[in-house]
Amino acid sequence: ILNVEQSPQSLHVQEGDSTNFTCSFPSSNFYALHWYRWETAKSPEALFVMTLNGDEKKKGRISATLNTKEGYSYLYIKGSQPEDSATYLCAGRNDMRFGAGTRLTVKP
Amino acid sequence: DAGVTQSPTHLIKTRGQHVTLRCSPISGHKSVSWYQQVLGQGPQFIFQYYEKEERGRGNFPDRFSARQFPNYSSELNVNALLLGDSALYLCASSLTGTRRSSPLHFGNGTRLTVT
Repeated sequence: ILNVEQSPQSLHVQEGDSTNFTCSFPSSNFYALHWYRWETAKSPEALFVMTLNGDEKKKGRISATLNTKEGYSYLYIKGSQPEDSATYLCAGRNDMRFGAGTRLTVKP
Repeated sequence: DAGVTQSPTHLIKTRGQHVTLRCSPISGHKSVSWYQQVLGQGPQFIFQYYEKEERGRGNFPDRFSARQFPNYSSELNVNALLLGDSALYLCASSLTGTRRSSPLHFGNGTRLTVT
């Protein structure tokens, strides 16, 4: 993997569902992996900055894990709420290259 | 505390013209980064400045230039505008010049339309 890739591109879930999505990045020369939430009409907001292999971070119902050896990070949302609807971006590589994002829609 | 502020919020320019976008970082933040975001893609890295020096440059043509002032505010300049330069331009500040532990704090962006 040369670039930062995110999957799926979009996701529609029902309120109360738990969900997760993936960020893949080059495992060589790993520096840091950032997760951001971008709500419509707002600016991107930092969720997590992860640097160590095996890192797990949590903020409320949202958590993330990091595997630097295989080059991936998972973002989990437990019990999704409509206010979780946003585009979730990850950024990695030394040049802070962003993935295209996962657009999450939570239906009431 | 004021967040990252960008001006103007919207701008319409004609092909071939020049544009200057401005960004004021959060107080105490010494690093400013610029990103271009087009629909369907993630933000594309253009420049990073730290302590008034360029620390990184993305894959953008020389028509794009930037600078950082002694008060850490920054300008992004784009010359000879092309239709493809139409995008949302985001500025982000961070406490330090390294990305290992400092998250980016984004402004609301400048929407540039080139006709």
